[in-house]
Amino acid sequence: SAVISQKPSRDICQRGTSLTIQCQVDSQVTMMFWYRQQPGQSLTLIATANQGSEATYESGFVIDKFPISRPNLTFSTLTVSNMSPEDSSIYLCSVEGQPGADTQYFGPGTRLTVL
Amino acid sequence: AQKITQTQPGMFVQEKEAVTLDCTYDTSDPSYGLFWYKQPSSGEMIFLIYQGSYDQQNATEGRYSLNFQKARKSANLVISASQLGDSAMYFCAMGLMDSSYKLIFGSGTRLLVRP
Repeated sequence: SAVISQKPSRDICQRGTSLTIQCQVDSQVTMMFWYRQQPGQSLTLIATANQGSEATYESGFVIDKFPISRPNLTFSTLTVSNMSPEDSSIYLCSVEGQPGADTQYFGPGTRLTVL
Repeated sequence: AQKITQTQPGMFVQEKEAVTLDCTYDTSDPSYGLFWYKQPSSGEMIFLIYQGSYDQQNATEGRYSLNFQKARKSANLVISASQLGDSAMYFCAMGLMDSSYKLIFGSGTRLLVRP
């Protein structure tokens, strides 16, 4: 399975600011995914990021709030913009295990607290 | 619409005993995959086991096995010989076999292993 790292691992931010989360994979992958896990909740997909195309956002998530970059096959960023306390969550990136495979492997997550 | 249901918010098991975590799913798509992930308190999502909808045999991975009953649309996780380190949140997820490879997660079950 791919080795996935995320930066930062955690952060405490002020309301109204933005935070960019990085996701790095040790191998080239076509599809990368960004999930949000609010406190005590399950995971919800924010968007799918394919290299060379615009990210595809799920219902309830918009590009202005969660802009995503995917400059190459090993890296992606998710920005949480104009943050409010409701954005306090764990943000996780995931990648497909092998090209076209079903299994997804997750990064260690970024634990965000917004004051 | 696709849906994953985990009806057990919390479970206790005695160390060295087996435990079954329930998961039911709903989809009209004939092609899908079912996954179980473990989330310890650190927040990372650890892939445990996968079952494809066309797989004839139940999946096994070490102490983990997936009791797949397609007609009942259930995909229960069985953990044998529980260990203290098995204490964590467990999420069942369904992956769609379309080009999206999205995962839909259940609400999770918190497992506590008693010494």
